[in-house]
Amino acid sequence: QKEVEQNSGPLSVPEGAIASLNCTYSDRVSQSFFWYRQYSGKSPELIMSIYSNGDKEDGRFTAQLNKASQYVSLLIRDSQPSDSATYLCAVRTGFQKLVFGTGTRLLVSP
Amino acid sequence: DAMVIQNPRYQVTQFGKPVTLSCSQTLNHNVMYWYQQKSSQAPKLLFHYYDKDFNNEADTPDNFQSRRPNTSFCFLDIRSPGLGDAAMYLCATGEREGQETQYFGPGTRLLVL
Repeated sequence: QKEVEQNSGPLSVPEGAIASLNCTYSDRVSQSFFWYRQYSGKSPELIMSIYSNGDKEDGRFTAQLNKASQYVSLLIRDSQPSDSATYLCAVRTGFQKLVFGTGTRLLVSP
Repeated sequence: DAMVIQNPRYQVTQFGKPVTLSCSQTLNHNVMYWYQQKSSQAPKLLFHYYDKDFNNEADTPDNFQSRRPNTSFCFLDIRSPGLGDAAMYLCATGEREGQETQYFGPGTRLLVL
């Protein structure tokens, strides 16, 4: 079983819709969770971090964490074509280490 | 602005010819990481430094070495690049304390001919 799993997509949504991206992880003791956005040919850019169960909102982005289910998600409201990218879920599994999922490709059509 | 800088952005080398990639940071973070990312794959951690303490991942090939001469700079040396080493190489920095968020540089795209 992979440590961090994401659906590779692509997830296609129309402009203005809510995009929902999901991630599951295998290490029950993981404490820190991150979402990165990566445009094609570019490096990952941090969007959100979440450490406690529940929701965390930042602008159009909401991260949701459920440690009991080992599940973390990212909601993007009012999706824009500029949100089209690959979204990487990352989980801190050990001291100073992150494990990344392979990412979900999001396509927002005008 | 505080940032992570990687040079060069694109590097072309020949099979077996040593190559060095560099990373510098103005964030004054005590941890620096090197990742390898191939197309449609997750970033794969090669090694990291906490200050001068070097931590190698178990599956990182011996062909990959690293140096961190001071807090600001870190280098990735590929001693004998093979065709399979063509990838994006990402440098990231972070703080050991706190939640250990990692911040990435722009990456170096390596092509091996």
